[in-house]
Amino acid sequence: DGGITQSPKYLFRKEGQNVTLSCEQNLNHDAMYWYRQDPGQGLRLIYYSQIVNDFQKGDIAEGYSVSREKKESFPLTVTSAQKNPTAFYLCASIAQPDGNTEAFFGQGTRLTVV
Amino acid sequence: AQSVAQPEDQVNVAEGNPLTVKCTYSVSGNPYLFWYVQYPNRGLQFLLKYITGDNLVKGSYGFEAEFNKSQTSFHLKKPSALVSDSALYFCAVRDRAGANNLFFGTGTRLTVIP
Repeated sequence: DGGITQSPKYLFRKEGQNVTLSCEQNLNHDAMYWYRQDPGQGLRLIYYSQIVNDFQKGDIAEGYSVSREKKESFPLTVTSAQKNPTAFYLCASIAQPDGNTEAFFGQGTRLTVV
Repeated sequence: AQSVAQPEDQVNVAEGNPLTVKCTYSVSGNPYLFWYVQYPNRGLQFLLKYITGDNLVKGSYGFEAEFNKSQTSFHLKKPSALVSDSALYFCAVRDRAGANNLFFGTGTRLTVIP
C-alpha cells in the first residue's frame, strides 16, 4: 500500500533530550511537511521540503531541525531548545508543491515530555 | 498573506439533520481549497477540494462544499448527518499564485447526537 508512515506512534522524552520522529513516504511525492497540532490551535507548520537536500522553515521552526537526504524520508528532530514540545506531530506530503493535489498525512506521533 | 478562519469551535447536530461547518479564507490570488477530517489520535483524511469550475464540489462520505468567491467562503455540508460523522474538521487553503504551503484553520469539532 502506498502512503506515509510515521513512527513511533507515542514517544516520551526527558527534559534536555533530543528526539527524532520518523516520516517515510512511498508515494514518490516531491514535497514533505511537518506540522504541530495543539488543542484549539489547528495545525502549525514547522518545516517543509520541496526537493531533496533542501528545506525551509515554517512558522514555528525554533527548537526543531530536519533533513531531507532521500526523497522518501523527512525526519524531524525535537531538540532540547524546544521548551514546550508536548504535542501531536503530523507529517504530510504533496505530489508537487505548486500543484492542486491534496496532501496525504501520516497517522501522527504524540510526543510527551516526562 | 494567507489565512483560514473556522468561526465555530464546536457544532452539534442531531442525527439525520443537515450539517454545515463554516470556513472563510483570505489569499492574495485565487485559492485551492480543501477539507480534511480527523478522528482521535489519527492523521488527517482528505474529504474534498475546490480547484476550478463548478462551485459545488462533492467528496467522500456524502460531504459536499460550496465555493463562494464573493464571500470568500467554502462551507462544508452534508444533507443528513450520521453519528459516525462526529470528528474534527479542518479547512485548508493554498494560494495558486505560488505559495507552497497549506494553511489550516483551527478546526471545528462536529458532534452528531443520536
